[in-house]
Amino acid sequence: NAGVTQTPKFQVLKTGQSMTLQCAQDMNHEYMSWYRQDPGMGLRLIHYSVGAGITDQGEVPNGYNVSRSTTEDFPLRLLSAAPSQTSVYFCASSLRGGTQYFGPGTRLTVL
Amino acid sequence: KQEVTQIPAALSVPEGENLVLNCSFTDSAIYNLQWFRQDPGKGLTSLLLIQSSQREQTSGRLNASLDKSSGRSTLYIAASQPGDSATYLCAVSNYNQGGKLIFGQGTELSVKP
Repeated sequence: NAGVTQTPKFQVLKTGQSMTLQCAQDMNHEYMSWYRQDPGMGLRLIHYSVGAGITDQGEVPNGYNVSRSTTEDFPLRLLSAAPSQTSVYFCASSLRGGTQYFGPGTRLTVL
Repeated sequence: KQEVTQIPAALSVPEGENLVLNCSFTDSAIYNLQWFRQDPGKGLTSLLLIQSSQREQTSGRLNASLDKSSGRSTLYIAASQPGDSATYLCAVSNYNQGGKLIFGQGTELSVKP
């Protein structure tokens, strides 16, 4: 099993550009989530999904969109990047009530 | 609103010492609690998962306890080693919250040879 994979590892964007952060898991997990990690703020939930076709907002959803068309994939879209979205982004997956497995992260810088 | 606090924020110990990391949460209606390890520049690695009905979990030199009524969990590391140096994060999941985790700020552990 590859576990949870994320691409790209690093990305630099200019303000106003859009992009999609990719996340995939091969463990047939129902639950998938996106977090951002910022110094002094810890890890905060952006969006999550409890299954294909079902998504919901987390603590900091503004400026981000998600969709879940398959069990395996959960992409995160930045609609119009802002410097405040400079962060490290982590994707996670789990079975209901189970251990959460995290991907290696995407380091995003918005200039 | 659930809040998770970890004390201390940083800890430095000599190699071989036994140590305890603390985690507290404000709402006792949790589904489970997880302890993670994060090395600098890396992702999170799950160490232990404790379900709300359990009191403790053990893995090797690690032992995590859970006291829901008091809103506390501890991570005990026996015979610490320099390789244990990392940031340790505690996170809780509430009932009917679809796997959403609320994280503490973490404890940065340094084990000196």
